[in-house]
Amino acid sequence: AQKITQTQPGMFVQEKEAVTLDCTYDTSDPSYGLFWYKQPSSGEMIFLIYQGSYDQQNATEGRYSLNFQKARKSANLVISASQLGDSAMYFCAMREGGETSGSRLTFGEGTQLTVNP
Amino acid sequence: EPEVTQTPSHQVTQMGQEVILRCVPISNHLYFYWYRQILGQKVEFLVSFYNNEISEKSEIFDDQFSVERPDGSNFTLKIRSTKLEDSAMYFCASSGWRDRLNEKLFFGSGTQLSVL
Repeated sequence: AQKITQTQPGMFVQEKEAVTLDCTYDTSDPSYGLFWYKQPSSGEMIFLIYQGSYDQQNATEGRYSLNFQKARKSANLVISASQLGDSAMYFCAMREGGETSGSRLTFGEGTQLTVNP
Repeated sequence: EPEVTQTPSHQVTQMGQEVILRCVPISNHLYFYWYRQILGQKVEFLVSFYNNEISEKSEIFDDQFSVERPDGSNFTLKIRSTKLEDSAMYFCASSGWRDRLNEKLFFGSGTQLSVL
């Protein structure tokens, strides 16, 4: 079974508008962390935001916020006031706790976001 | 901000040849990783490395692959006899901690490996 699912291969948004990128996950581990990374066309992977399974509040980092719905196992990324430079591939990833805490990240398929002027 | 450096950015090799991908992790980091991304597919974990030994590896990381930290700064991935299906973008990553769930990985810009 897929551990991380991103159902939107591509998304388009107008500059200055908000956009939500979907991510659902699957784990039986009560302790896990969820990450979003941005991959611009230059190729590097840039960390955006983190949400822990025990965090009571949704994570926010500047224009990025995470809509964490634990019961639905979803961790959607919200980008407010989109900018042209936000055009990139966005990956959702999960790290599970337990004995392998701190080790591998499992990535979703990614969503290609295009911001239109 | 400190960064992970990978060289070369592009590598073309013939099938059956050995290839070494190089990475310089962030200087005070202790945990190192290799991931790969086949074109159009998701990013996949290959291996993690700490204290001069492999701490975890995926089923992809078979006997054709090896990793090494030959000195205090470099971290390398060697593919002994490349196959066509090894063509992918290879990412190196590092982190300062391992046993923290929220520890983010810092990724390099990747090496695009093309096997002909």
